[in-house]
Amino acid sequence: DTAVSQTPKYLVTQMGNDKSIKCEQNLGHDTMYWYKQDSKKFLKIMFSYNNKELIINETVPNRFSPKSPDKAHLNLHINSLELGDSAVYFCASSQDGGEVGPQHFGDGTRLSIL
Amino acid sequence: AQSVTQLGSHVSVSEGALVLLRCNYSSSVPPYLFWYVQYPNQGLQLLLKYTTGATLVKGINGFEAEFKKSETSFHLTKPSAHMSDAAEYFCAVRPASGGSYIPTFGRGTSLIVHP
Repeated sequence: DTAVSQTPKYLVTQMGNDKSIKCEQNLGHDTMYWYKQDSKKFLKIMFSYNNKELIINETVPNRFSPKSPDKAHLNLHINSLELGDSAVYFCASSQDGGEVGPQHFGDGTRLSIL
Repeated sequence: AQSVTQLGSHVSVSEGALVLLRCNYSSSVPPYLFWYVQYPNQGLQLLLKYTTGATLVKGINGFEAEFKKSETSFHLTKPSAHMSDAAEYFCAVRPASGGSYIPTFGRGTSLIVHP
């Protein structure tokens, strides 16, 4: 059983398009995250949700909008995609309100903007 | 604010040799410290973490790390490298109290294991 699953795994699209990435965790965790990993493998937190409520919203363009329909799901919608959005996006989850940070990561969504 | 420095973007060892990946942190308050491993085309896995208590922390796959407050370090070691240990390793830090509980990650160290 996959603990944290993201779809799609690969996403190739053109500049200006709108796309969504879905994330689901079956661990019963109460906190979920979105991270962006750039081409140099630097990991940057984007958002964190605890029990469907937004906890962390780092300096991320408004074009990125997370949505958590329930505590097992955290989706990421991106409007008007730009070349700089090309990266690997990771969803993660943790228990206990994220007290000790992300514990389980998905395998990532590789976003390429043409 | 906290930060992490991982010395060496690449570390190369022979199979069976000692693995030592270095991590130094900066934090104005007592830290929680983490090591994660990332295999190719996969997400990160938590290897081990230090929160409180014993400063020598054992993790999965035979790895361990020691929190040394006086040296502001949290180096990762493994006595004998396996080919399967080849991966990217990330050190991370967050404050034990106050501030954001989101860890700040280092830039990663790529471990290369030669036969």
